[in-house]
Formats: sequence, structure tokens, C-alpha cells
Amino acid sequence: KAGVTQTPRYLIKTRGQQVTLSCSPISGHRSVSWYQQTPGQGLQFLFEYFSETQRNKGNFPGRFSGRQFSNSRSEMNVSTLELGDSALYLCASSPLGQADYGYTFGSGTRLTVV
Amino acid sequence: QQQVKQSPQSLIVQKGGISIINCAYENTAFDYFPWYQQFPGKGPALLIAIRPDVSEKKEGRFTISFNKSAKQFSLHIMDSQPGDSATYFCAASIGSNYQLIWGAGTKLIIKP
Repeated sequence: KAGVTQTPRYLIKTRGQQVTLSCSPISGHRSVSWYQQTPGQGLQFLFEYFSETQRNKGNFPGRFSGRQFSNSRSEMNVSTLELGDSALYLCASSPLGQADYGYTFGSGTRLTVV
Repeated sequence: QQQVKQSPQSLIVQKGGISIINCAYENTAFDYFPWYQQFPGKGPALLIAIRPDVSEKKEGRFTISFNKSAKQFSLHIMDSQPGDSATYFCAASIGSNYQLIWGAGTKLIIKP
């Protein structure tokens, strides 16, 4: 059974640019959550999508957005990149999004903003 | 009240020793407490989880101890091995809520 696939694995962008990250969840999983991980802040919840609808949102500025497609694949977009956006971005897939079913994480996209 | 406080931030244990990581919470509505393990270059993976109706859960060398009155739970790794070197996150959620509240993580190093 294929795991959660995140592309690309590494990305270097310049301040002010925008970036799109992709996540393909486990087949049959309808929920995709996105997290930002930095050494100082740990795992910060960005948003969760279920059946193409954003169901939960963390405390991030509007520059961070996402969407989910009918096949459950999800993308997140960061516009007007800032140096502080450098981080590991993780997506997590789960059947229905319920925390007590457990989340399966991808290996992440390492974004560096220069 | 939504926070989960995890300690220590980092931990070095000799091979064969016991590693102990602690977490504390305030919200008594939390009723699901998982631990996730993350290796470098990988995303976190669910290791073990507990609900407050039991005080302890054991899976192999990994044990969660839960103290409901103190609002604390901890992960014990018995006979710690170098392969256990990873970052460990505790977390909590309410019922079948859709979001976990995460601890800050503990970087564990097992010295051979």
C-alpha cells in the first residue's frame, strides 16, 4: 500500500515568490492536513481538508492557502514568501480526519527561502 | 488550556537504559493521547496511544503511563537502543476531533 507522497522533496525560492506544494494521500483517505515544522516552533497546524472542503484552519496568515481535489490530492500555496517561511512542510492523511484514527505523514517538503 | 507541555527538550540515554519523556495538559476534555516518533528526513509516525480509562499501555519496549489526576502522561522506552534515536512528540485531542494539539517534541539520543 503506497504511503503519503509529497512533492517536491526540496525547494529553494526567493523572498517574494510564491510556491505550490503537493500531497497525495493514501488511497481511500479523504482527509489531508498540512503542518509547518520548524526547530523553534515544533509542529504547527496549517489547515485540514476533507472532501474538497477546508474543515479546520490554524493560525497562519492568508498568504497560506490550500485546496483539495476530487481524488483527495491536496496542494498548499504560499504567496509572497518571507524568510521565516523556511521550514519543513508536512502533510498527513487519514481516512476521515479523526485524530484517534491516527495520521500517516509524508516525508515532507523542505522549503528554503533566500 | 489547549496546550500540551512536553519535557525535556532533549535527552541523552545510554544504550540499554530507560528513556522517559513527560507531557502535561490542562484541558480535562482531552481523551486521546498519542505519541509520534520522527526520524530525520521523515514525517512523524504514530508509535503508541492511550485513552484515560487505563493507566498504562505497553507495546513492546514502549509504555505510556497516564495519570489522570495529575493531568500528565509519559512515554517510557525500556532497554533503549541506538535505533530509538529520534524526535518524539506527545499530543492530545478531544474525542474524534479533527485536530491534535502537539507537544514541542523531545530529541532523544541513545549513546552506544
